[in-house]
Amino acid sequence: AQKVTQAQTEISVVEKEDVTLDCVYETRDTTYYLFWYKQPPSGELVFLIRRNSFDEQNEISGRYSWNFQKSTSSFNFTITASQVVDSAVYFCALRDSPYNNDMRFGAGTRLTVKP
Amino acid sequence: DTGVSQDPRHKITKRGQNVTFRCDPISEHNRLYWYRQTLGQGPEFLTYFQNEAQLEKSRLLSDRFSAERPKGSFSTLEIQRTEQGDSAMYLCASSSRTSHNEQFFGPGTRLTVL
Repeated sequence: AQKVTQAQTEISVVEKEDVTLDCVYETRDTTYYLFWYKQPPSGELVFLIRRNSFDEQNEISGRYSWNFQKSTSSFNFTITASQVVDSAVYFCALRDSPYNNDMRFGAGTRLTVKP
Repeated sequence: DTGVSQDPRHKITKRGQNVTFRCDPISEHNRLYWYRQTLGQGPEFLTYFQNEAQLEKSRLLSDRFSAERPKGSFSTLEIQRTEQGDSAMYLCASSSRTSHNEQFFGPGTRLTVL
């Protein structure tokens, strides 16, 4: 069965600090997709990144970076030089095959960035 | 606005009443998904449409819930005989034929059952 664990319920940092949000997943499939979404106070989920199971390259997009490690079943998300606008709930999600439309979300990590 | 839209944004109803929500996906997207999100939790998958066909339903979707997408464009989600436990945010998402792994979400409909 597929499962996503985000052990950090809430994180609070001061602006300009770096912060890493952890995500651990479980799946029996060899082909799967991992995602990160941001949910700001307005409520709308915003897509951040998708990663295929066969592509372990880490990715950087501006202040955001993602570390995918199949050996530890982790897909962690780092925000460098955090800003107040980064305050939101962040969700990691797993879809465990191209034919399975059930995307399983973690419980989310609430990030608060203080000025 | 070319994003996913949902209507209404908020709905307050009394227990036992029926409610219906609407989702308009991004126009060229043929896949549509419904999720439910309760406070402090991530979204939970409810059902999935490819064009007008409902291809997948979660066990979370009880007999009181029904979803339709009659012309393969907008979709409706109806809850009959609402219960307090139905109070949640109902999210709709859509994805395209070519990039079906990337789902774009609407703002959600927040349902409160009194």
